[in-house]
Amino acid sequence: AQTVTQSQPEMSVQEAETVTLSCTYDTSESDYYLFWYKQPPSRQMILVIRQEAYKQQNATENRFSVNFQKAAKSFSLKISDSQLGDAAMYFCAYRVGGSEKLVFGKGTKLTVNP
Amino acid sequence: DAEITQSPRHKITETGRQVTLACHQTWNHNNMFWYRQDLGHGLRLIHYSYGVQDTNKGEVSDGYSVSRSNTEDLPLTLESAASSQTSVYFCASRYAVAAGDTQYFGPGTRLTVL
Repeated sequence: AQTVTQSQPEMSVQEAETVTLSCTYDTSESDYYLFWYKQPPSRQMILVIRQEAYKQQNATENRFSVNFQKAAKSFSLKISDSQLGDAAMYFCAYRVGGSEKLVFGKGTKLTVNP
Repeated sequence: DAEITQSPRHKITETGRQVTLACHQTWNHNNMFWYRQDLGHGLRLIHYSYGVQDTNKGEVSDGYSVSRSNTEDLPLTLESAASSQTSVYFCASRYAVAAGDTQYFGPGTRLTVL
């Protein structure tokens, strides 16, 4: 069974600093997709970034980037120049190609200190 | 702008009552999903639909049903609400043109069953 593990229930970072959130997953599939979602206090789930497993290049979206280590089944999220608005729960998620089922980790609560 | 909405945003009901949560999207997405979010579990898939008249069970479907009579709506019904169904419910949709297309989430409905 596919599982997604976020080993850090909580993280904190100083404003303008960089923080990395960890995610590992377990799968025997070769075609899959990985996602990071942000959930602020408003509870809205917002897509931050996604990575296709067949792509070797790490995805980047402005201040957000990932370190995708396929052999290690690791998919960490780096937030650069952290802002107060980045404070939220962050969920790592996995989906097999051709499947509709998103498997989520339990989340990491990120606090940004001014 | 196209969007996905859920109603009500908050609902309190009693054990044994039937409850229906609405989900409406204006993206013309063919795939729609319902998740529940509980502390310590992340998000778990309840039901999903690939299109009109199609519905499929997810990971935690017992006690829930859905119907898809048009592209825009996927209502979730709790036939006889139980206290274990107290949760936050998220609807999501995806336009499955390419295998990697992302799910977009509604704002969530907080349901309390007393």
